[in-house]
Amino acid sequence: AQSVSQHNHHVILSEAASLELGCNYSYGGTVNLFWYVQYPGQHLQLLLKYFSGDPLVKGIKGFEAEFIKSKFSFNLRKPSVQWSDTAEYFCAVTPQGFQKLVFGTGTRLLVSP
Amino acid sequence: NAGVTQTPKFQVLKTGQSMTLQCAQDMNHEYMSWYRQDPGMGLRLIHYSVGAGITDQGEVPNGYNVSRSTTEDFPLRLLSAAPSQTSVYFCASKTPGSEAFFGQGTRLTVV
Repeated sequence: AQSVSQHNHHVILSEAASLELGCNYSYGGTVNLFWYVQYPGQHLQLLLKYFSGDPLVKGIKGFEAEFIKSKFSFNLRKPSVQWSDTAEYFCAVTPQGFQKLVFGTGTRLLVSP
Repeated sequence: NAGVTQTPKFQVLKTGQSMTLQCAQDMNHEYMSWYRQDPGMGLRLIHYSVGAGITDQGEVPNGYNVSRSTTEDFPLRLLSAAPSQTSVYFCASKTPGSEAFFGQGTRLTVV
């Protein structure tokens, strides 16, 4: 069965610090990859997605992620975080051709002003 | 454009009661799914459907039933609520090759 690992469960940063959240998945075939964000009390919203092509994907609000196939990784980055980035971030994967979305356990990010 | 609509937003049940969480989407998506979100466990798939009349179990199906009589609706039934089912429930829909769209969630407490 596919699985997704997010190694950082809680991250605390100051505003303007750089962010990198790790995501690794276990599946040998072609995958579609996603990062979702959940602001406090809200539902999940898509930050960015990778289906094919350029492995460096740019999303909303200045986020980007890099797909490294050899490492089965899809790490999320942002050069300078803001207080409004305080949220929980979820990495998710779907094997290509399938529909089921498998989520990691999430990373809670707290950005202090 | 409503997207994915879940009702109710909040619910308190007594142990042993049954209820149905409603989910409707207006995007003509074939695939719909239910997740539960618990602290430190991410989102776990309960049941999913690849089209009207077709449902299957996810990772944590016990205690839940689903049906898919139309493309638009995918209700989740709790047969006999237990405190372990206290959680936040999310419904999602998608088409092949797209991301999933989520509803606003239902916060369920079983006492």
